[in-house]
Amino acid sequence: EDKVVQSPLSLVVHEGDTVTLNCSYEVTNFRSLLWYKQEKKAPTFLFMLTSSGIEKKSGRLSSILDKKELFSILNITATQTGDSAIYLCAGRGGTSYGKLTFGQGTILTVHP
Amino acid sequence: DAGVTQSPTHLIKTRGQQVTLRCSPKSGHDTVSWYQQALGQGPQFIFQYYEEEERQRGNFPDRFSGHQFPNYSSELNVNALLLGDSALYLCASSLRRVAHYEQYFGPGTRLTVT
Repeated sequence: EDKVVQSPLSLVVHEGDTVTLNCSYEVTNFRSLLWYKQEKKAPTFLFMLTSSGIEKKSGRLSSILDKKELFSILNITATQTGDSAIYLCAGRGGTSYGKLTFGQGTILTVHP
Repeated sequence: DAGVTQSPTHLIKTRGQQVTLRCSPKSGHDTVSWYQQALGQGPQFIFQYYEEEERQRGNFPDRFSGHQFPNYSSELNVNALLLGDSALYLCASSLRRVAHYEQYFGPGTRLTVT
C-alpha cells in the first residue's frame, strides 16, 4: 500500500524565518510528487516534481525531489503571516493521471 | 473561468441515511476524483471517474458509489451513513490526456453525521 509521511506535523515560526517541510514516500511505480497548500478548504496546487535533483521555484517557495532516497522538501524563505496554512504532500503512482496518496500534512503557523 | 465547484457546502445527516454530493469540474477537464478528508488528516482517495466510468478506486466500502455525467460533472453517493463518514469531501478535476497534469480541487462539502 502506498504511503506518504510528512514532518513535522506542526511548526510555529515568526515572520521572516525560513522553514523546511519534509515529505517521504513509498509509492509503487512512482510518477510524481505534488505539493499543495490548504488554507480553508480547497487545497491549492504549488509544485509537481517528476525528476530528481531539479529544483522548482515560485517566489519565496521552492521544492526539490530525491528519487533515490524517496523524499522531497518544501522550503519557504522570509515567511509571512499569509503563509500560515496546512501544507500537503502527495505521491502519484501507476499512471501520470492516477490517484494521489496524501500525507497527513504540516500545519504551519507564522506569527507577526 | 470557473474553477471546480461543489454542492452543497455543508450537510447534516443522521446515521443510516443516504447522501448525494455534487461536483462540476473546471472548464475543459474530463476526469473527476473524489477524496475524503477527516479532521486533522490528509485527503484519502475514494475513486476516479473518466468517460462516465469508475477507473480507479481506493479502500472504501461499496456504500460509496459515484457517477459521472456526459458533461463531466460527477456525483458521490454514500448509503447507510455512519458517524465515521463525517468529513470534508473534496472533488478534484484534471485532464487525462496531458501527462502529469495536476489535480484542481474544489472547496469541498462538509458532511456531519449525527
